[in-house]
Amino acid sequence: AQKVTQAQTEISVVEKEDVTLDCVYETRDTTYYLFWYKQPPSGELVFLIRRNSFDEQNEISGRYSWNFQKSTSSFNFTITASQVVDSAVYFCALSPATGSRLTFGEGTQLTVNP
Amino acid sequence: GAVVSQHPSRVICKSGTSVKIECRSLDFQATTMFWYRQFPKQSLMLMATSNEGSKATYEQGVEKDKFLINHASLTLSTLTVTSAHPEDSSFYICSARLGRGSNQPQHFGDGTRLSIL
Repeated sequence: AQKVTQAQTEISVVEKEDVTLDCVYETRDTTYYLFWYKQPPSGELVFLIRRNSFDEQNEISGRYSWNFQKSTSSFNFTITASQVVDSAVYFCALSPATGSRLTFGEGTQLTVNP
Repeated sequence: GAVVSQHPSRVICKSGTSVKIECRSLDFQATTMFWYRQFPKQSLMLMATSNEGSKATYEQGVEKDKFLINHASLTLSTLTVTSAHPEDSSFYICSARLGRGSNQPQHFGDGTRLSIL
């Protein structure tokens, strides 16, 4: 069985602060994919990143960066210099390499205050 | 980029009404689409996997006679909530996988907020 845990239910920061969203996962698969999605108040899910379990290199995209630690089964997401527009619910998700079934975490509500 | 369109975005109707929600992949063919349900402040729960030209695969606990899924073409999947009741009120969101490879990410529609009075 697969499981994704996002222990932080809500996080509130002030604009320009850095913030890290935690994600811990459980799977028996040796190969799998990890994802982060953003859900703004309007409801749609925006794809942010996909990471293959074989690739443990950290990735940076603008103000976003992701730290994949296979040894601790974590895939944390950091927003640098947060902005009000970053306010949203962020979901971490996991899927097996051989299938499409996405297992989502419970989500972290991020509020960035001006 | 890939776009998934979902319609309608919001539905308010009386109990006992059947509601149809459409999910379209606008610029790519999607052999597989997925339907999720999300209650307020909760995560997304997969309801079913919709396969073009074949029957949908439902998750455990999801009534297939209640939630009818049709995937008649490579760009359209529909979810019909039959005889909807207040407990069916939820946010329904579809996704489509770009390409046939299982390593492709799912792209999501904008969701449909269903309110049953």
